[in-house]
Amino acid sequence: EDQVTQSPEALRLQEGESSSLNCSYTVSGLRGLFWYRQDPGKGPEFLFTLYSAGEEKEKERLKATLTKKESFLHITAPKPEDSATYLCAVPRSSNTGKLIFGQGTTLQVKP
Amino acid sequence: DTEVTQTPKHLVMGMTNKKSLKCEQHMGHRAMYWYKQKAKKPPELMFVYSYEKLSINESVPSRFSPECPNSSLLNLHLHALQPEDSALYLCAKSVGGIGNTGELFFGEGSRLTVL
Repeated sequence: EDQVTQSPEALRLQEGESSSLNCSYTVSGLRGLFWYRQDPGKGPEFLFTLYSAGEEKEKERLKATLTKKESFLHITAPKPEDSATYLCAVPRSSNTGKLIFGQGTTLQVKP
Repeated sequence: DTEVTQTPKHLVMGMTNKKSLKCEQHMGHRAMYWYKQKAKKPPELMFVYSYEKLSINESVPSRFSPECPNSSLLNLHLHALQPEDSALYLCAKSVGGIGNTGELFFGEGSRLTVL
């Protein structure tokens, strides 16, 4: 069964304190792993696509990496404006238009 | 252009009302989506339109009725809703088509409250 699990559920950091968010997945024939950021009351904002183990993508203070079983979102020297819920998702194994989302990690960065 | 515009931003309706949510986007797409999101939960897929035809209905109750009048517009008609239908309704598009479903561009959502 396709499954995506994110940890931790919530993370509090001080400004400048680097950390990582985890996304573990179980899916047959991975066709991409996707990271989104969601601010309260807003729609998710697409961040990264990763397709193969070893791939890395970077955007400002964020770096996403992928292995055969999990993905990490590394946050380097975070700022309060990085506070948000971060969602990862994979397409369902059957070739349909459905994404399987993890439950998300809510990040709070304190000044 | 990845912009997706949803109206209204907030909607309060009674259980006997009929209302509609609208979604508009420009500059092309191949698939458009309706998602429902409850507080502190990830988005849940409701419907997918591919090339303006309904491709996926995730067993959504018939009190939700989607419509795609043209390539720029997507509507969600609401009728006889229940209080548990209160949620954030999100519209999204993907440029890559239904088979490339991961890079979605979402609107800001319509916050629905059913009394």
